[in-house]
Amino acid sequence: GAGVSQTPSNKVTEKGKYVELRCDPISGHTALYWYRQSLGQGPEFLIYFQGTGAADDSGLPNDRFFAVRPEGSVSTLKIQRTERGDSAVYLCASSLTGGGPPGSYGYTFGSGTRLTVV
Amino acid sequence: AQKVTQAQTEISVVEKEDVTLDCVYETRDTTYYLFWYKQPPSGELVFLIRRNSFDEQNEISGRYSWNFQKSTSSFNFTITASQVVDSAVYFCALGPPASGTYKYIFGTGTRLKVLA
Repeated sequence: GAGVSQTPSNKVTEKGKYVELRCDPISGHTALYWYRQSLGQGPEFLIYFQGTGAADDSGLPNDRFFAVRPEGSVSTLKIQRTERGDSAVYLCASSLTGGGPPGSYGYTFGSGTRLTVV
Repeated sequence: AQKVTQAQTEISVVEKEDVTLDCVYETRDTTYYLFWYKQPPSGELVFLIRRNSFDEQNEISGRYSWNFQKSTSSFNFTITASQVVDSAVYFCALGPPASGTYKYIFGTGTRLKVLA
C-alpha cells in the first residue's frame, strides 16, 4: 500500500486478556519495526524484522510479548495476559534495506494502535 | 551508553518567529545516523531529515535548517518564520550504527506550539 497501515487504531481490553495488533508495511519494504510510545515519551524499540525473521528482539519487555511476520509482509504483535502498564501507543515502521544499515535511510511509520488496558 | 537528550519539553512561539529545537546525543559508535521526526496531533511520525556522522555540513530545506556539530554532539533544528502548522512534537533520534544493532534511540521530544 501507499503507507504503513496499523489496525485497529484503538483497542481497549481488560487486564489479563490477550490482544493482537496488526501492521501492514509499505509494499517492498523488507525491514519492519515495532516501537512502543508511552504518554509524554519518545518511542521505545521493541523488535526488528528483516524479512520473516526477527533480527533483533532485544526490546521486548518480557515473554508476554511476541511478534511474527510469517510471510515477510504483514506483522502481528501479540500480547498475552495484558497488564495496565502495557497501555501505550504501539507504532509500526518499515524501511528499505539499502546500502547502509537497516533503518539508516529513515523509517515510514504508521499511525499506531492506542492500547488501553483497564 | 547511547542516549538522546531533548532538554526543551515545550516551547511556545508566536507565528513568524524563528525557533531552535536542541538535541544532544551520546554514543560510542564512530559511524551513526541522526534523524529528526515530526509528530503532529494525528500521531503519525513524519521523517524530516537523516544525517550521517561523517557529514557535518549544515542543511537547509525551505524554512527548516539543521546544525550538526560533532564536537559538541549536537544536532539542532531551526524553523524559520514559524507557522501554526508547525505545531507538533519533534523527536530527535540516534540511528543504527554500522556495528549491527538496528534500533533507533529517541529523545523524549519537544512540543512546539506556534500561536497565531
